[in-house]
Amino acid sequence: GENVEQHPSTLSVQEGDSAVIKCTYSDSASNYFPWYKQELGKGPQLIIDIRSNVGEKKDQRIAVTLNKTAKHFSLHITETQPEDSAVYFCAAPISGGGADGLTFGKGTHLIIQP
Amino acid sequence: DADVTQTPRNRITKTGKRIMLECSQTKGHDRMYWYRQDPGLGLRLIYYSFDVKDINKGEISDGYSVSRQAQAKFSLSLESAIPNQTALYFCATGTPGGRELFFGEGSRLTVL
Repeated sequence: GENVEQHPSTLSVQEGDSAVIKCTYSDSASNYFPWYKQELGKGPQLIIDIRSNVGEKKDQRIAVTLNKTAKHFSLHITETQPEDSAVYFCAAPISGGGADGLTFGKGTHLIIQP
Repeated sequence: DADVTQTPRNRITKTGKRIMLECSQTKGHDRMYWYRQDPGLGLRLIYYSFDVKDINKGEISDGYSVSRQAQAKFSLSLESAIPNQTALYFCATGTPGGRELFFGEGSRLTVL
C-alpha cells in the first residue's frame, strides 16, 4: 500500500513569513494529494488538493506543488497569520483511486510566532 | 448541527471493558471511515464501509470491530479495551470516490 512521509514535524515561523511543508509518497500510481488542517479540538478539514495531471494549484495564500517524477508534493503558505497555527496533514489514496480511504502523513505542527 | 457527530466526546474506562463509539452523519454519504490519531503517528485507518452491507478492514483493525447499522450510522467497538488503545478516534464520511473526507470532532478514549 501507499506510504506517505511528512516533514518537518514542527515548524515555527514569524507572522508574515512563508511556511513550507513537504511530503513524499511511495506509490507511483497515486493520483490525488490532499492537505488537511486540524485546529485544536477539531477534526481535520480539507484545505486544498491536487491531482496528478497538474503541477501546481493555488488558493489565495496557500498553494500545493507536485513533482510526480520525484514523488513529492509540498504545501506553501504565504504571509502567515495567527489563524494558520494548526496541525497540517498531507495524504494520498491508500490504493487505486482512493475509494477505500486516504493514508496520512504524521502531521506538521505549524506555529506562527507574533 | 455538525454534519458528522461522534458520541461520546470523552470516555475513560478500565482495561477489559467493552466500549462503543458511535458516529452519525447527515451528509448523505455512503462511505464512512474510522481513524485513530496518536501523537507523532498521524491518522491511521481502522475500518471503512461503503454501504450497510459492506465492511472492510483498514491498516490497524486488530482489537476493533464495527457495525454499519444504517447509511447514516457507523459504530466502532473495542471488545476488551487495553491501555494502548488510548487515543483520539475520528469518524469520517467520504464523497463518491473517497476523494474528500469530512471528519467528526473526535472521541477521546482513555483506557486505564
